[in-house]
Amino acid sequence: GAGVSQSPSNKVTEKGKDVELRCDPISGHTALYWYRQSLGQGLEFLIYFQGNSAPDKSGLPSDRFSAERTGGSVSTLTIQRTQQEDSAVYLCASSGGGGRSPLHFGNGTRLTVT
Amino acid sequence: AQKVTQAQTEISVVEKEDVTLDCVYETRDTTYYLFWYKQPPSGELVFLIRRNSFDEQNEISGRYSWNFQKSTSSFNFTITASQVVDSAVYFCALSWNSGNTPLVFGKGTRLSVIA
Repeated sequence: GAGVSQSPSNKVTEKGKDVELRCDPISGHTALYWYRQSLGQGLEFLIYFQGNSAPDKSGLPSDRFSAERTGGSVSTLTIQRTQQEDSAVYLCASSGGGGRSPLHFGNGTRLTVT
Repeated sequence: AQKVTQAQTEISVVEKEDVTLDCVYETRDTTYYLFWYKQPPSGELVFLIRRNSFDEQNEISGRYSWNFQKSTSSFNFTITASQVVDSAVYFCALSWNSGNTPLVFGKGTRLSVIA
């Protein structure tokens, strides 16, 4: 079946602009995660959606970052007033059982802020 | 606080050598889950293994094996007879509170296998 799909695969934007990154999880997966991976670095947790529960936003680095998950499926990560330090690969993952189950990752969106 | 430490930043081995990647975790929970992921040069993260805190039995899958020791809070990963295709960044991760938390990842170990 289809895996986790992210779009766009690459995004170049000017400092100060807003960007939206999209994630289509695996059908039926109740948990959805956003992580950020800077060049040569590990994975930084951003936000976690589990079913109908309130999302865990504890990893969002500033109020410029927000995310939504509509209909328990597609998710959009929005970064407002982008800064150069936001440049990174943004990874989306989904799982069928929260942190008990393996995460299935998308290929990521590479964001470059110039 | 929950934490995963992968002290080895980079490892380089010659093909056919055995190599062990270390992972040390911290949590006060009694029910937690540990994972290993592989990130090849193509970039996509690939799930390798999951272990829950109540199952300390070591596991072997082909050339891969995992040694889970609660006494030392370690979950080490060994590749036997390494191959060039094993070259990748390997991440260890932890989910605590009975798995009701997002995964926390270590910073990864970059493994280079030289022909």
